[in-house]
Amino acid sequence: SQQGEEDPQALSIQEGENATMNCSYKTSINNLQWYRQNSGRGLVHLILIRSNEREKHSGRLRVTLDTSKKSSSLLITASRAADTASYFCAVNSGNTPLVFGKGTRLSVIA
Amino acid sequence: GAGVSQSPRYKVAKRGQDVALRCDPISGHVSLFWYQQALGQGPEFLTYFQNEAQLDKSGLPSDRFFAERPEGSVSTLKIQRTQQEDSAVYLCASSVSTGGAYTEAFFGQGTRLTVV
Repeated sequence: SQQGEEDPQALSIQEGENATMNCSYKTSINNLQWYRQNSGRGLVHLILIRSNEREKHSGRLRVTLDTSKKSSSLLITASRAADTASYFCAVNSGNTPLVFGKGTRLSVIA
Repeated sequence: GAGVSQSPRYKVAKRGQDVALRCDPISGHVSLFWYQQALGQGPEFLTYFQNEAQLDKSGLPSDRFFAERPEGSVSTLKIQRTQQEDSAVYLCASSVSTGGAYTEAFFGQGTRLTVV
């Protein structure tokens, strides 16, 4: 079963706009990771945030983590057509391997 | 190699046929994972190796699924007597991490299995 649940399931925006995706999970975590998957390709790691961190930045990406609400958000600023992909959150809890959500399908329209 | 390599990229199998999917992890990566991804879904965990030891196989859907990593490097996922519900993309990932707190996992391009 999948622990991380992304919201929304699908998102369509215009190029230049910001995109926000949310992830909720159920148990305590060591860290939470976000991945991107282009159609027909493998997953690419974007960013990892540890349980004792609240916010992290990487280029146009900003990730927040609220462990009290068991939720995380991924913000992509100034989106580009090339950002079109599926985005997954994955949680690491204890000694278990990464557990992925169902993903958010982002479409950026030029 | 530079990344995780999986072969074949595509496999069409007749129902009842056995298949073997190969994964070459990044050199030196201790941890290796197999995931199954159905169309439009997120990856579902199948099994995990730390070196040659299979530490977790709780995600394997049936005893028709078998994975090995005999020398702690290349891994093979074998599916016996394939059924249509086995059709999916099978993803392999490797990581330098051991223990409870995993760092990033590097994924291969996956093998798309279609059972007809």
